[in-house]
Amino acid sequence: EVQLVESGGGLVQPGRSLRLSCVASGFTFDDHAVHWVRLAPGKGLEWVSGINWNGGLVDYAASVKGRFIISRDNAKNSLYLQMNSLRPADTALYYCARDPHSTLSAGIAFDIWGQGTMVTVSS
Amino acid sequence: DIVMTQSPLSLPVTPGETASISCRSSQSLLHDNGFNYVDWYLQKPGQSPQLLIYLGSDRASGVSDRFSGSGSGTDFTLKISRVEAEDVGVYYCMQALQTPCTFGQGTKLEIK
Repeated sequence: EVQLVESGGGLVQPGRSLRLSCVASGFTFDDHAVHWVRLAPGKGLEWVSGINWNGGLVDYAASVKGRFIISRDNAKNSLYLQMNSLRPADTALYYCARDPHSTLSAGIAFDIWGQGTMVTVSS
Repeated sequence: DIVMTQSPLSLPVTPGETASISCRSSQSLLHDNGFNYVDWYLQKPGQSPQLLIYLGSDRASGVSDRFSGSGSGTDFTLKISRVEAEDVGVYYCMQALQTPCTFGQGTKLEIK
């Protein structure tokens, strides 16, 4: 079965760090770019970050640039999101999503989604 | 960044009727290659989002033919024919032309 399973969410104080993980199974992980997309309470979907098939190209939303770092380990079929200097506005359900393409070029789509991991930033 | 604007934001529909959701982008999503880079997603209650339509009008694998996408340039429409109870949820358009990918605000479809 093709699936993505996120973990690492939790309650964290403002200014602290958290690392999310996403493990892929059922498909050839390094054939695909992968992304993080979040859903804040009462808000809509927001793309957070994406990484191409070999980790050589990454991109971020302006709201997280300089604070979050996306990475992947193809040997472990895993995607990561290192979240630093967390803010209450980062509170959201974070989804890992597969792109049918290997690059971050035009035509991005999210064809497989994980179940999400909740991050709450609060003192 | 490209701004995506959906309407309506709330859509009550009688089962069996057709529902339409509009999405307008702040700049053209028509690429030089002739493709329109807009996707449509549905997030059902308690579930993760799912891809319905990509490249403006191509249905994703396993998606019912009751769902259809159309439009070009800056104006796009998702049509849901013969609406069923299982279609309830929040529908999002997303521009896939460039990063940052940006979503519309979401349209909540409910059954009357």
